[in-house]
Amino acid sequence: ETGVTQSPTHLIKTRGQQVTLRCSSQSGHNTVSWYQQALGQGPQFIFQYYREEENGRGNFPPRFSGLQFPNYSSELNVNALELDDSALYLCASSLQSGAEKLFFGSGTQLSVL
Amino acid sequence: QKEVEQNSGPLSVPEGAIASLNCTYSDRGSQSFFWYRQYSGKSPELIMSIYSNGDKEDGRFTAQLNKASQYVSLLIRDSQPSDSATYLCAVNTAGGTYKYIFGTGTRLKVLA
Repeated sequence: ETGVTQSPTHLIKTRGQQVTLRCSSQSGHNTVSWYQQALGQGPQFIFQYYREEENGRGNFPPRFSGLQFPNYSSELNVNALELDDSALYLCASSLQSGAEKLFFGSGTQLSVL
Repeated sequence: QKEVEQNSGPLSVPEGAIASLNCTYSDRGSQSFFWYRQYSGKSPELIMSIYSNGDKEDGRFTAQLNKASQYVSLLIRDSQPSDSATYLCAVNTAGGTYKYIFGTGTRLKVLA
């Protein structure tokens, strides 16, 4: 167990809807990264938050947005859901930005119908 | 060209054998390299990290890095059926963001 918790564990949405995924980082970790893992693929970097600021972004459209709160927990929001957004969404926390080790939560499996 | 490449497998080895997993990367500025294990339906779990050329051993696992060839590998000695999983190679890019680039993973099957 890494101490990183994500909710919900599973979610079913329809195309065009909006979704919010939540992550609580491991105690003492101030950096949260979000990854999307499609079936049969490796995780793809969405963005990273460090001390409540976005600290880097991967090749994802603006309808993917996030927040980090003062307690370092984080949200991932996806607007205008598309079928291809169906994936496992992973949150990973680390001790600080640039820290080498990522600790992953168990993920949220999102299905878009 | 993909940034981190792995053979998707499956790689099948008999129990007790050595499993050899390979990964190549394209960014010469990469500084940190990781192997994650992912069981089906679960999240990735860090098993090895390596930062300098050569070998690094931890129990039954050995990571090997060759920066000149842009190549990193993972050897699993005395493979067990419980090692059956997907192994993800991850590279920590330079450039300030510290995002990890993952390969697509190699599925390993250890046959009892």
